[in-house]
Amino acid sequence: DAKTTQPNSMESNEEEPVHLPCNHSTISGTDYIHWYRQLPSQGPEYVIHGLTSNVNNRMASLAIAEDRKSSTLILHRATLRDAAVYYCIASYGKLTFGQGTILTVHP
Amino acid sequence: DVKVTQSSRYLVKRTGEKVFLECVQDMDHENMFWYRQDPGLGLRLIYFSYDVKMKEKGDIPEGYSVSREKKERFSLILESASTNQTSMYLCASSLVLRDRTYEQYFGPGTRLTVT
Repeated sequence: DAKTTQPNSMESNEEEPVHLPCNHSTISGTDYIHWYRQLPSQGPEYVIHGLTSNVNNRMASLAIAEDRKSSTLILHRATLRDAAVYYCIASYGKLTFGQGTILTVHP
Repeated sequence: DVKVTQSSRYLVKRTGEKVFLECVQDMDHENMFWYRQDPGLGLRLIYFSYDVKMKEKGDIPEGYSVSREKKERFSLILESASTNQTSMYLCASSLVLRDRTYEQYFGPGTRLTVT
């Protein structure tokens, strides 16, 4: 697994877009970029993953830099329910969770 | 909806006791995992299993063992509980996607306190 670096915390206002960055400069060619989030008092849940191209799903978008050394998880309109710890993982196969980014969403 | 259930949300055990944490998934997933989560250390993989009766050590297997006798059930065993095993334990199962990556589904966790 490649080491990932994320900000410890970020804040957003409700209904505004949120861009959560992640650096993974040692990523290998076969490593995928995964994002999970953990809501309070729950286990983590899958958000999105990608390899080279940008990806969209109903929860979020994933923008991957051309050199793949960084990526950004985009929540298009943050809600209070999006307040969670967001984990970025660069790996193929088993997942290694780091500290993540604590996202606070203000009403 | 995929469901991963864990036998207890909260558990208190004494030092030296044998502890069983049970995890059941209902989606016929082949892969199952046990993690522990501690403040400042994040989630750390203890053991995982790719098939019935098959297990592999994760990053911190010391002091733990596992059992997978049926596909839907994965048990974590603390042979002789110690206070440094006080933690949140999370079980997960995973779907293998078309691109051969995993989408993991987690249970709600068991908060174990060893006194």
